Amino acid sequence: GAGVSQSPSNKVTEKGKDVELRCDPISGHTALYWYRQSLGQGLEFLIYFQGNSAPDKSGLPSDRFSAERTGGSVSTLTIQRTQQEDSAVYLCASSLQQGRTDTQYFGPGTRLTVL
Amino acid sequence: SQQGEEDPQALSIQEGENATMNCSYKTSINNLQWYRQNSGRGLVHLILIRSNEREKHSGRLRVTLDTSKKSSSLLITASRAADTASYFCATVPVAGTALIFGKGTTLSVSS
Repeated sequence: GAGVSQSPSNKVTEKGKDVELRCDPISGHTALYWYRQSLGQGLEFLIYFQGNSAPDKSGLPSDRFSAERTGGSVSTLTIQRTQQEDSAVYLCASSLQQGRTDTQYFGPGTRLTVL
Repeated sequence: SQQGEEDPQALSIQEGENATMNCSYKTSINNLQWYRQNSGRGLVHLILIRSNEREKHSGRLRVTLDTSKKSSSLLITASRAADTASYFCATVPVAGTALIFGKGTTLSVSS
């Protein structure tokens, strides 16, 4: 079956512009996560959605970052007024349900470059 | 904040040799997972070990967990050039939901 997909695969933008990154989770997966990976670093948790519950936004680095998940499926991560330090690979993952032993399946990521 | 710290940061070996990577973490965990990443893109889940388990095997992979030392190791036996990648440990804290990743070990296997 299809895995997690993300679009675009690469995004180059100018400082100050807004960007939207999209994630399509595996069908039927109720949990969705966004992570960020800066060059040579590990992954940094950003936000987590589980079903209809309020999202866990504790990892968002600033109020320029927001995310939504429509209809419990597709998610969009929006970064407003992008800064150069926002340059990173943004990875989305989904899992079947919120459970601490559930495997998270990752998408290929979106590489964001802010000039 | 990062929970896991992998050691070494980089490892270069010859095909056929074994590769051992270590991971230390800070807080009590529910489980620990190892992931592999090729070329800085998507991660692939390798293996999960629960906090009440001490050792787990999957093919050429062997993972150990020592909760008293808050550490884990990943052993890849009979390595192949295709094993070249970055390897990350990730923990699920007892009081958390999302994975917390370390910075990873970059493994290079030369033929």
